[in-house]
Amino acid sequence: GDSVTQMEGPVTLSEEAFLTINCTYTATGYPSLFWYVQYPGEGLQLLLKATKADDKGSNKGFEATYRKETTSFHLEKGSVQVSDSAVYFCALQKGGANSKLTFGKGITLSVRP
Amino acid sequence: NAGVTQTPKFRILKIGQSMTLQCTQDMNHNYMYWYRQDPGMGLKLIYYSVGAGITDKGEVPNGYNVSRSTTEDFPLRLELAAPSQTSVYFCASSYPGTSSYEQYFGPGTRLTVT
Repeated sequence: GDSVTQMEGPVTLSEEAFLTINCTYTATGYPSLFWYVQYPGEGLQLLLKATKADDKGSNKGFEATYRKETTSFHLEKGSVQVSDSAVYFCALQKGGANSKLTFGKGITLSVRP
Repeated sequence: NAGVTQTPKFRILKIGQSMTLQCTQDMNHNYMYWYRQDPGMGLKLIYYSVGAGITDKGEVPNGYNVSRSTTEDFPLRLELAAPSQTSVYFCASSYPGTSSYEQYFGPGTRLTVT
């Protein structure tokens, strides 16, 4: 079945450091790929998405590129802020009525001043 | 818009008790979902609905029931609570009007069964 694998966490960075969070997937067909973020005490929010190979999703300084050849969707940000501290989930979705999301385990990012 | 709202925020149940987790959305979305999030794990789909009167099982439906009598509401029922149902429950909704079905999540209900 479909699956998403995220790098092990947690990750702790200093403010203004460069961030990479790895995500790889296994799926048949051509899934859409997402990064969701969960701030403390809140539900998940969509951070960015890409719907086809070589698409780049971007939002709030975060970027991720849909790489079909390596089945990856790594999340990057050039300079993290304390306010980026959250749990980040990579997910895939295939269209149709049963359009459920398949999530990775999530990774906790802590950014210290 | 309030988006997706869930009640209660927290609940402690004794083994064998029952309860209903409420979920309401005001975005006129057709699709609604219930997920559970166990510690250190991603979310797993319990049930979903593609419209009023239509529901279907997800990956982990055992021990739960749902109904969808209106577009707005999608309650999740636990009939005989068990410790394995201790989790955080998220409701989500989406509208299949674009090329990918983005989902909007509620703030979650943290349930403990002892």
